[in-house]
Amino acid sequence: DAKTTQPTSMDCAEGRAANLPCNHSTISGNEYVYWYRQIHSQGPQYIIHGLKNNETNEMASLIITEDRKSSTLILPHATLRDTAVYYCIVRVHQGAQKLVFGQGTRLTINP
Amino acid sequence: DVKVTQSSRYLVKRTGEKVFLECVQDMDHENMFWYRQDPGLGLRLIYFSYDVKMKEKGDIPEGYSVSREKKERFSLILESASTNQTSMYLCASRGLLFPYEQYFGPGTRLTVT
Repeated sequence: DAKTTQPTSMDCAEGRAANLPCNHSTISGNEYVYWYRQIHSQGPQYIIHGLKNNETNEMASLIITEDRKSSTLILPHATLRDTAVYYCIVRVHQGAQKLVFGQGTRLTINP
Repeated sequence: DVKVTQSSRYLVKRTGEKVFLECVQDMDHENMFWYRQDPGLGLRLIYFSYDVKMKEKGDIPEGYSVSREKKERFSLILESASTNQTSMYLCASRGLLFPYEQYFGPGTRLTVT
């Protein structure tokens, strides 16, 4: 699985868009970008995934650059409940078993 | 919604005790996983099961065993608990359809004294 680099921490005001970057310059053609988050004292939660097109679901949007070397997770209207550690993972989905989380980004939403 | 439940949120056990952690999922998922999560070490896979009665060792299986007698239930057993097994234990399940995301339970924080 390709290595990812994320900022250690970020702050965002409640109601604003939170933009979380992730660098994955060694990503290969068959690897997907997945995002999970972990709210304090809870299990990780799947958010979204993508290959090369931008993706949106009820939780977030994922923007992947054309060269696929980086991506941004966007929470369009952050709430206090979005305070969590966000993990960007790059992996080949078929046959992949375990999840390996890096340090992630600790996102704090401020009132 | 997928639901993964774990038998306890918090557990305190003594050194040498046998400890059972249970996980149940309601989505008919084939794959189930046990991880432990420790500060600075991230998520580490202990065991996983790809079907009933099937199991595979993960990265840190020593001191643990597992049981999967029914599809919805995956148990982690600490044969003789030790203080270095104090940790957050997370169970996850995953189906066989794309995008293969894993669904996690709330975790069990185990303290071994």
